[in-house]
Formats: sequence, C-alpha cells, structure tokens
Amino acid sequence: GEEVAQTPKHLVRGEGQKAKLYCAPIKGHSYVFWYQQVLKNEFKFLISFQNENVFDETGMPKERFSAKCLPNSPCSLEIQATKLEDSAVYFCASSHRGDEQYFGPGTRLTVT
Amino acid sequence: AQSVSQHNHHVILSEAASLELGCNYSYGGTVNLFWYVQYPGQHLQLLLKYFSGDPLVKGIKGFEAEFIKSKFSFNLRKPSVQWSDTAEYFCAVRGSNYQLIWGAGTKLIIKP
Repeated sequence: GEEVAQTPKHLVRGEGQKAKLYCAPIKGHSYVFWYQQVLKNEFKFLISFQNENVFDETGMPKERFSAKCLPNSPCSLEIQATKLEDSAVYFCASSHRGDEQYFGPGTRLTVT
Repeated sequence: AQSVSQHNHHVILSEAASLELGCNYSYGGTVNLFWYVQYPGQHLQLLLKYFSGDPLVKGIKGFEAEFIKSKFSFNLRKPSVQWSDTAEYFCAVRGSNYQLIWGAGTKLIIKP
C-alpha cells in the first residue's frame, strides 16, 4: 500500500498482560522502524529492521519487548507482561533506503 | 550520543505573523536533518529535510529551514502563518543506523 498501516488504533491491557501491535510498511520499503512516545514527550527509538532482519535493536528493553518482520506478514511488536510505564503511543515508520521515513497513525497502548 | 533540542515547547501566534522555531543538534559531523509536523488527529508528516547542498531548504506548505553548521542549528521558518498551521512540530537528526533522534517538539497555536 501507499501508507503505513498500524493496528489496532487503541489497545487496553491490564498490568501483566501481553500486548501485540502490528505494522504494515509501504510496499517496496526495505526498512521498518518502531518508536515509542510516552505522554506526548519525545519519541524514543526502539528497533529497526532491514527486510526481515533486525538492523538496530539498541533501543529495545530486552526483557519484555520483542519484534519481528516476517516475509508476507505485517511486522509486529510484542510486549510480554506489560507494566504501567509501557503506556504510550507506538509509531511504526517505513523507509525505502533508510532516508525519509513515512509514519503510520500509531497505536495507543494503555496499561491499567 | 547525538541529541536534538527544541527551545520553545509552546508558541502562540496570531495569523499572518512570522514564525521561527529553533532546533539545535549536538553532532559535529555530517548530519541529515528533518522537520516533521503532526496536525491534530493526523499522522506525522515530513515538512522538509536537509541532506546536503543548499543550506536553505524549502518544504511543503510554505515552510523553509536553514542549516547553519557553525551554530549546529536547523531552524524552521514561515513568513506568514495561517490558522491551519496549528500543530506540533518536531525536529530530528538521523542517527548512524538511520534511526531518527528527536527533539521534544513545539506545540504551535495560531489564533484566528
């Protein structure tokens, strides 16, 4: 498609539950990036992929966060055992060659 | 580590006023710089970018930015704002692995 799609738009989870977010990049784009925005503050980089390979995971909290980009499937970001501090908007972006990034609408995760 | 600072968190202007939003970055080498805008309820959109060449960059919707290497700055300007420019504006620098490193954003309100 011509736009980055993210689902769901909103997600509510109780503390300790699992959360899974999805991102379909623009067709033909090789790079996918995930960012976290807590309380309308700065965007924090989490992880990036080049095709299905992890490109940079330096921003990922290793213990509970994981992500995948498999061929012919949307990319996913999964949080095991969510905590209150994981409440944020999670943005996905895709890029053709790592230059301009095109953003999806975001998934708002609320952990109660 | 690279960082970006945006000095003004909130700016309120009247229609037809001139706009300048400050952005400073920390890295002294080759930089790629971006301004993104988020209109209420919409995706992040790229306003303009600087990779190389002419330091005065023209973007969409009448915006421009000037890259001043000696001042580590990339300020966003518009000669005459409109009510529809009400939005949040983010400055970002591209990191070594293509990830974006973001400023905290400036919320711009235009009074009709």
